[in-house]
Amino acid sequence: EAGVTQFPSHSVIEKGQTVTLRCDPISGHDNLYWYRRVMGKEIKFLLHFVKESKQDESGMPNNRFLAERTGGTYSTLKVQPAELEDSGVYFCASSQARGEFYGYTFGSGTRLTVV
Amino acid sequence: RKEVEQDPGPFNVPEGATVAFNCTYSNSASQSFFWYRQDCRKEPKLLMSVYSSGNEDGRFTAQLNRASQYISLLIRDSKLSDSATYPCWGNYQLIWGAGTKLIIKP
Repeated sequence: EAGVTQFPSHSVIEKGQTVTLRCDPISGHDNLYWYRRVMGKEIKFLLHFVKESKQDESGMPNNRFLAERTGGTYSTLKVQPAELEDSGVYFCASSQARGEFYGYTFGSGTRLTVV
Repeated sequence: RKEVEQDPGPFNVPEGATVAFNCTYSNSASQSFFWYRQDCRKEPKLLMSVYSSGNEDGRFTAQLNRASQYISLLIRDSKLSDSATYPCWGNYQLIWGAGTKLIIKP
């Protein structure tokens, strides 16, 4: 079974540019989550999709961040325009139901560096 | 108030020793709990789950105390390869803790 895949693995962009991160969850997982880890700090929740619907987006830091999940399959997270403080590792995770039995499976993350 | 509280460590433990650490949680909505392992600059990977009182898998034992709202992880006969950070998580938790850093020394 393929795991959660994220693309790109690394991205270096200049302040003010736009970056789009992609996450392909495990097939059949309706729940998809985006997290962010800023250097040395906790992994923080950004938002939760159930299929194509945003279940909870309380963790999105501001309106420069836009997440979509077309057709309930893969998801994209766009940052526009990027700021220096957006640098970090962006993890995507997917789960069956609310992760009650098997927890979340994480992708390997996208390391975003804004210069 | 943080959703989870963990001693960040590092716990420096000699190879072969037994080590245990706890994770206290505040969101009582979580029904399932998990210990993950995170190596430097990598994604968290599921180590163990615990739904009822406890779970054992080889050298690892996880226990859940709902009354006191904490879970624990016990590692017996520790190996050098056990060196990592161990974040805990409950399935209704929004914020992951930074985890407990474990360093096994030869």
